[in-house]
Order: sequence, then C-alpha cells, then structure tokens
Amino acid sequence: AQSVTQPDIHITVSEGASLELRCNYSYGATPYLFWYVQSPGQGLQLLLKYFSGDTLVQGIKGFEAEFKRSQSSFNLRKPSVHWSDAAEYFCAVNTGGFKTIFGAGTRLFVKA
Amino acid sequence: SQTIHQWPATLVQPVGSPLSLECTVEGTSNPNLYWYRQAAGRGLQLLFYSVGIGQISSEVPQNLSASRPQDRQFILSSKKLLLSDSGFYLCAWSGSLSSGNTIYFGEGSWLTVV
Repeated sequence: AQSVTQPDIHITVSEGASLELRCNYSYGATPYLFWYVQSPGQGLQLLLKYFSGDTLVQGIKGFEAEFKRSQSSFNLRKPSVHWSDAAEYFCAVNTGGFKTIFGAGTRLFVKA
Repeated sequence: SQTIHQWPATLVQPVGSPLSLECTVEGTSNPNLYWYRQAAGRGLQLLFYSVGIGQISSEVPQNLSASRPQDRQFILSSKKLLLSDSGFYLCAWSGSLSSGNTIYFGEGSWLTVV
C-alpha cells in the first residue's frame, strides 16, 4: 500500500533563512504529489502539486518542490522564510483514485 | 471560482448527543466530496467520500455517517457522540480524477465531546 513519510515532526528556522521540508513516499509508480499548509485552527491550503513533466514545481507564497524519482522524494523548499510561514505543512500522495494519503505533517517554527 | 463552506466552526457536545456538520460547495457541479478528521497532533484520516448524490463510501467503521442530499451538499452525522469523536473535521472537494484529484478544503469544524 502507498504511504507518505514526513521524517521531521517539527523544524525551527530563523527568519530569512532557507527552508527544506522532507517528504518520502512509497509507491511502485509515480504518484500525484501535493504540499498543503495549515495555519492553526484553519483548513488546509494547497501550496503546489506535481503531476508530470518538469520535476521542479513552483507554488504560491514563494514555495517550490522538487520531485526526485530515484529517491521517492518530494521535498518542499523556500529560499527565505518569513515569520508568517510558521504553520504545519502536509505532504500528500494520490495514485489516481479517490483516496489521497497525507503525511503526519511537519510543524514549522520561525524565530526572529 | 469555487468555494467551500462548512459549519458550525466550533461546537461542544455532550456524550450521547447527536451531531450534524454541513458542507456546501459553490462554483462547480458534480464534485467529489470528502469528510476528513484530524486528531490533535496527527495527520488526516479520510472518513467518507462521495462521487454523487446518495453515493457514500465509508473508509473507517465508526458511529459516524454521511449523506449527500444534493449535488453540492455533504453532511456528517452521528446519532450518539463518543468522547473519541472529538477532533477537527474537514470537508473537502475535488474535480475530475484526470486532474490528479486535487483536493480543496473547507475551513474546518472543531468538535469537542464532553
């Protein structure tokens, strides 16, 4: 069965520093891949998605993610973090049906 | 553009009481609809999904049920709440599976069972 792993439960970065959140999936073929962000007490907002083609995907709020087939990874990056980026981030995988599998999430803390 | 709304945003219910959470989608037709639950500090668990009016698929056995009386309306219900039903409930929708089944979420409903 497919699965999604976000190895880091929480990460702390300084404002202005770069960010990379890790995501690994388990699936025999290339799935559809997503990153979502959730602020406390709110729903999830789609940051970006990968279906096919260029393995570097640009999203909203200055985020990007890179699909690496050889590593079964889809890591999220941002060159310079802002205090408003503090939130929880979820990686998700869909293999073509109605079920999308979500990782357990990584909580991002931003220090001044 | 498409929007999704769910309500109430917050509710506190005693054990054994009924539950009704409602969700509506605007700006699209025949969406796939979903109910997820998010327990504190944990990921998202798919509870139900629906591909059309009256068509409900349940992913986990529980004392919750879902109904879809109209194309863009999805309701989560319970006849008798348990303490373990507490959590953050998210309604969501998606369009065609050919678009990778991209899911869009509502604002969420906090349920506390006391």
